[in-house]
Amino acid sequence: GAVVSQHPSWVICKSGTSVKIECRSLDFQATTMFWYRQFPKQSLMLMATSNEGSKATYEQGVEKDKFLINHASLTLSTLTVTSAHPEDSSFYICSARRDGNSYEQYFGPGTRLTVT
Amino acid sequence: GNSVTQMEGPVTLSEEAFLTINCTYTATGYPSLFWYVQYPGEGLQLLLKATKADDKGSNKGFEATYRKETTSFHLEKGSVQVSDSAVYFCALSGGATNKLIFGTGTLLAVQP
Repeated sequence: GAVVSQHPSWVICKSGTSVKIECRSLDFQATTMFWYRQFPKQSLMLMATSNEGSKATYEQGVEKDKFLINHASLTLSTLTVTSAHPEDSSFYICSARRDGNSYEQYFGPGTRLTVT
Repeated sequence: GNSVTQMEGPVTLSEEAFLTINCTYTATGYPSLFWYVQYPGEGLQLLLKATKADDKGSNKGFEATYRKETTSFHLEKGSVQVSDSAVYFCALSGGATNKLIFGTGTLLAVQP
C-alpha cells in the first residue's frame, strides 16, 4: 500500500502557457500533501504544503500566484505552473502524508517539466 | 534553522564492498531522522528511519544509528550489490509542521 502517482510523468510546454500536474494517493487518504522541486544534482526543495479544503502554505521565496495549488479531495492535489518560463523547467515531486501518520511521507515518481 | 549535510558523491564501490554515507544534522529539539533512496527513474522511497536518540533504523541490510552527541545519522551497509546503485538522501523532520528537510543526496554506483 501507500502508492502515490503523478500525472503527467513528463511534459513540454511553450513559454507563457500553463501546465497542471496531478498528484494522487491511490490507496490511502491524505489531508496533507507536499510539493517539491528538484534541480539537477541537488536536493529536494519544499515549495508548499497542501491541505485539503484550505489554502496551501508556501515556503519563503515561492510565488503563490505562479505555482497554484489546489487540494480538492483527500486523494488529489494539483500544481499549476502559470505563465511558464524556461527557468521553471525542473523536476516536480509530490508526496502525501497518510492520515493518522504524523511523519511518514510517500513520494510520487515526479514530473519532468521542460519549458521551451 | 534545521539543516542536513551529507557527503558529496558520487561514491563508486565494487560489489560486496562496505558502504558508509555520512550525514550530520542541525536541529532544535528532537527531530526524526530518515534515509530515502531514489532508484533511477523512480520516486523517493523511505529506506529507514529513527525517531529518537540511540535508535537504529535498518532495512534491506542498511543501518543507521541516531547519534545525538555527534548529531549524525550515517548510513552503512556491510556488502553492497549492483542493485543498490541509486541516490540516497538523508532527511530530518521536526517541529510543529513535521516538514522534511533533505540533504543534497549522494549518488552510489556499485560496479560488478
